[in-house]
Amino acid sequence: NAGVTQTPKFQVLKTGQSMTLQCAQDMNHEYMSWYRQDPGMGLRLIHYSVGAGITDQGEVPNGYNVSRSTTEDFPLRLLSAAPSQTSVYFCASSYSGQGNTEAFFGQGTRLTVV
Amino acid sequence: AQTVTQSQPEMSVQEAETVTLSCTYDTSESNYYLFWYKQPPSRQMILVIRQEAYKQQNATENRFSVNFQKAAKSFSLKISDSQLGDTAMYFCAFMRYSNYQLIWGAGTKLIIKP
Repeated sequence: NAGVTQTPKFQVLKTGQSMTLQCAQDMNHEYMSWYRQDPGMGLRLIHYSVGAGITDQGEVPNGYNVSRSTTEDFPLRLLSAAPSQTSVYFCASSYSGQGNTEAFFGQGTRLTVV
Repeated sequence: AQTVTQSQPEMSVQEAETVTLSCTYDTSESNYYLFWYKQPPSRQMILVIRQEAYKQQNATENRFSVNFQKAAKSFSLKISDSQLGDTAMYFCAFMRYSNYQLIWGAGTKLIIKP
């Protein structure tokens, strides 16, 4: 099993450009989410999904868009990149276990907006 | 809203010593999960230990154990016989049953000295 595959690992964008961070999981997990990690802060939730066709906003959704057309894929779109979106991004998936769950993470994307 | 607080930004101990990382949280929910994740310089998020709120017994995983005090909303991590490979950022996280999303503390940078 590949687990959670997140691409790319690194990306540099110019202000105003758009891009999509890809995330795929092969564990048939219902729940998927995107977090951003900034220095001195814990991860913050951007958007999440509780199943195919269902998405919702997290703590810091502005400037980002998501969709969940399949169980496996949960891409994150930056509509018009801004320097404030410079961060490390993590995709994660989890499942509703019977007293036994955890979040599985992609390897992260370091995004720099110049 | 749930919050997670880690009051120790950085700690350092000698190899083989025992170290305890602190975490407190705030929630009105009665059922939830708590986690400790480790993030080494590779950036990968690695599960260290998990605890379900309804379980009174403290979780243990080899050299790692927690002190879970539900009434006090405290969830500390004890690392025994610390090793150089334990050097990393450690994050405490809270997961709601309703949407399986994580709320994170700001992290503790742990340095194990030889």
